[in-house]
Amino acid sequence: GENVEQHPSTLSVQEGDSAVIKCTYSDSASNYFPWYKQELGKRPQLIIDIRSNVGEKKDQRIAVTLNKTAKHFSLHITETQPEDSAVYFCAAADSGTYKYIFGTGTRLKVLA
Amino acid sequence: GAVVSQHPSWVICKSGTSVKIECRSLDFQATTMFWYRQFPKQSLMLMATSNEGSKATYEQGVEKDKFLINHASLTLSTLTVTSAHPEDSSFYICSAPGQGQVIGNQPQHFGDGTRLSIL
Repeated sequence: GENVEQHPSTLSVQEGDSAVIKCTYSDSASNYFPWYKQELGKRPQLIIDIRSNVGEKKDQRIAVTLNKTAKHFSLHITETQPEDSAVYFCAAADSGTYKYIFGTGTRLKVLA
Repeated sequence: GAVVSQHPSWVICKSGTSVKIECRSLDFQATTMFWYRQFPKQSLMLMATSNEGSKATYEQGVEKDKFLINHASLTLSTLTVTSAHPEDSSFYICSAPGQGQVIGNQPQHFGDGTRLSIL
């Protein structure tokens, strides 16, 4: 089955700096890669996603890149703000079953 | 947008009690729903896929008789934790793929989660 690894587990950056979180997946059949932000005790919130036919996608301060050959994808947050502090999860989804397999999460702290 | 409602949001009960958690898609039909468990400071672990009108599909290591899943309608899936013990204490979250989207390539909509504490 699919296995998703995520690094780093914790990340501290100064306000205004960029943050990068990386994930790798094992199943070449996975073709959808969402990123979720989760605040303590709350539901995961989708922040950006990318499909396997695209190499990069950007939405304001957030971007995601995908390298299908290497089976890795990354989340980039620019001009970080304190409200970006949360736990971020990547996931890989199988095209036939809808199933998400989540990465282990990254706790991002943006220092003011 | 698509909304998934989960109830209750918090449950505290004694060891040995069975607890039922409901997951409803409010404005769309969901033939498939997913149940996740999340321990503190850990990731979301997929427990099972709930299929409307048929048996749920459980992930490896998840006890079918312990975590009963029923998906009797297109808008409701329930997870029952039977004879719950303190080690079952966790955050349980359901999700559903939105209706009318490309199969296999769409965001899922998550419920607010249920925090289960077994004393």
